[in-house]
Amino acid sequence: SAVISQKPSRDICQRGTSLTIQCQVDSQVTMMFWYRQQPGQSLTLIATANQGSEATYESGFVIDKFPISRPNLTFSTLTVSNMSPEDSSIYLCSVEGSMSGGRAFFGQGTRLTVV
Amino acid sequence: KQEVTQIPAALSVPEGENLVLNCSFTDSAIYNLQWFRQDPGKGLTSLLLIQSSQREQTSGRLNASLDKSSGRSTLYIAASQPGDSATYLCAVIYNFNKFYFGSGTKLNVKP
Repeated sequence: SAVISQKPSRDICQRGTSLTIQCQVDSQVTMMFWYRQQPGQSLTLIATANQGSEATYESGFVIDKFPISRPNLTFSTLTVSNMSPEDSSIYLCSVEGSMSGGRAFFGQGTRLTVV
Repeated sequence: KQEVTQIPAALSVPEGENLVLNCSFTDSAIYNLQWFRQDPGKGLTSLLLIQSSQREQTSGRLNASLDKSSGRSTLYIAASQPGDSATYLCAVIYNFNKFYFGSGTKLNVKP
């Protein structure tokens, strides 16, 4: 299994500011995924981050709003830029578990509140 | 477009009952299916993973089944306990490791 550490666990931010969320994995993984979970909703994939290449964004998500870094095989960051109250959500990172039969592992999430 | 539906959206049962959570999906060409548990304000904990070639998986009091042809999976929880109270999510995985999540079933097990 993979152990994922996500920071911060929660934050309250002013609108118009940006927050960077960090995701650290205890093993090297090819693909990392960032999800958003809006209040009362299920998870929606924001983007897929591969090391050494630009992230691939899903429909409705753009790099200017959610820039992603993937400097190595164990670390990624997601920035939520120019925040508004609508960005209040839980943000989760996930890794693909190709060594675990495809099982996915998730961080504990970052609960973001924008005021 | 792949859609994943979970029924019921919420469920409240007394302790000790056996219960079934349902998950249906529109595209049967899945790679695998995974059941997760999410506690309030927390991340996801993996419960069971069923490969597309498998029919079921068991872990303790949990049993998950998969019927690709009908686009359905069920999660069976035996002898429910208050500690089982959480939201249960199913995720269907297609190629390129893309997960499509259902909206979840919020379970409350009353002591």
